[in-house]
Amino acid sequence: GDSVTQMEGPVTLSEEAFLTINCTYTATGYPSLFWYVQYPGEGLQLLLKATKADDKGSNKGFEATYRKETTSFHLEKGSVQVSDSAVYFCALSAPNFGNEKLTFGTGTRLTIIP
Amino acid sequence: GAGVSQSPSNKVTEKGKDVELRCDPISGHTALYWYRQSLGQGLEFLIYFQGNSAPDKSGLPSDRFSAERTGGSVSTLTIQRTQQEDSAVYLCASSLEVLGETQYFGPGTRLLVL
Repeated sequence: GDSVTQMEGPVTLSEEAFLTINCTYTATGYPSLFWYVQYPGEGLQLLLKATKADDKGSNKGFEATYRKETTSFHLEKGSVQVSDSAVYFCALSAPNFGNEKLTFGTGTRLTIIP
Repeated sequence: GAGVSQSPSNKVTEKGKDVELRCDPISGHTALYWYRQSLGQGLEFLIYFQGNSAPDKSGLPSDRFSAERTGGSVSTLTIQRTQQEDSAVYLCASSLEVLGETQYFGPGTRLLVL
């Protein structure tokens, strides 16, 4: 079945450091790929997405590129801030019109220290 | 204007009791999903609704779990004879029925079974 493997945390970085959180997937067909973020005390919210190969999703300085050849969707940010501290989830949805149920990775807790 | 709402936000119950969790999706969203977030299992899919019907119940962990949706809107997830392993955060999400469409999550119901 479909699965998502993402970098285990926790990850601790200093402010302004470069961030990469690795994510790889296994799926039949061509899934859509997502990064969701959960800030402390808040619900899950979409950070960015890509729906086909070579698409780049971006938001709030974060980027991820859908790489079909390596089945990856790594999250990157050039200069992190304390406010980026959160849990990040990589997810996919299988190409099944209507039923776009999400398969999630285990989540990566990111802490940014000033 | 709202986003997805869920109630109650927290529920403490005794083992063996039944509980009902409610989800109000975004108006106009025909697809509705229930997920569960627990320490041991991460984020996992439970059930998908298309309108009032549930074509995918594959994630429900046992026959103690059931869900319904009425009027193409509000959904209720019922857990009968609760067990301690049912303790988790239950998340509801809704979306338009379009390939790769974003799912918008509610704040969740935190269930604790004593």
